[in-house]
Amino acid sequence: DAKTTQPPSMDCAEGRAANLPCNHSTISGNEYVYWYRQIHSQGPQYIIHGLKNNETNEMASLIITEDRKSSTLILPHATLRDTAVYYCIVRASNAGGTSYGKLTFGQGTILTVHP
Amino acid sequence: DARVTQTPRDKVTEMGQEVTMRCQPILGHNTVFWYRQTMMQGLELLAYFRNRAPLDDSGMPKDRFSAEMPDATLATLKIQPSEPRDSAVYFCASGSYQGLGEQYFGPGTRLTVT
Repeated sequence: DAKTTQPPSMDCAEGRAANLPCNHSTISGNEYVYWYRQIHSQGPQYIIHGLKNNETNEMASLIITEDRKSSTLILPHATLRDTAVYYCIVRASNAGGTSYGKLTFGQGTILTVHP
Repeated sequence: DARVTQTPRDKVTEMGQEVTMRCQPILGHNTVFWYRQTMMQGLELLAYFRNRAPLDDSGMPKDRFSAEMPDATLATLKIQPSEPRDSAVYFCASGSYQGLGEQYFGPGTRLTVT
């Protein structure tokens, strides 16, 4: 699976949009981009994933560049409860293979939302 | 609200003792993962199962760790004998084959080996 690069930490004011970048310049055509987050003392939480089109759900939006070498997770109105470590993960969609579903977590971005 | 449950939530034990951690995946999920998280190594995948069969346990120290799924509602991770370096938070996660990699994590078991 392709390697990802994220800034170690970011700050955001409460109520503002939080834009978390992720670089995955070695991504290949069958690899999806996943975002998870981990709030302190809890298990990681799935946020969103995408292949090449932008995606939106009730938690966030995912913007993937046209060349797919980078993406941005957007939390449109950050709250204090969004303070967490955010992980960007790239994974192949080899359905049926033994690695299907396997996620490799990096160090992530620590997002701190300030009042 | 379906959730992955793990027991115990906290475990303190002495070096050399056996430790068993249990996980109940979300009903209907056929893939179960065991992760370990430490400050130094972050989140590491230890092993995972699909339809109760082990698919990959390459992340697990084979001499002391073992993972099983006796049935579809129970996954276990056992350490025997435990060592201080095993101190970590152990997470179980489950997912469906059709879920394209969405994994749902339990609250974790915090293990301290003295």
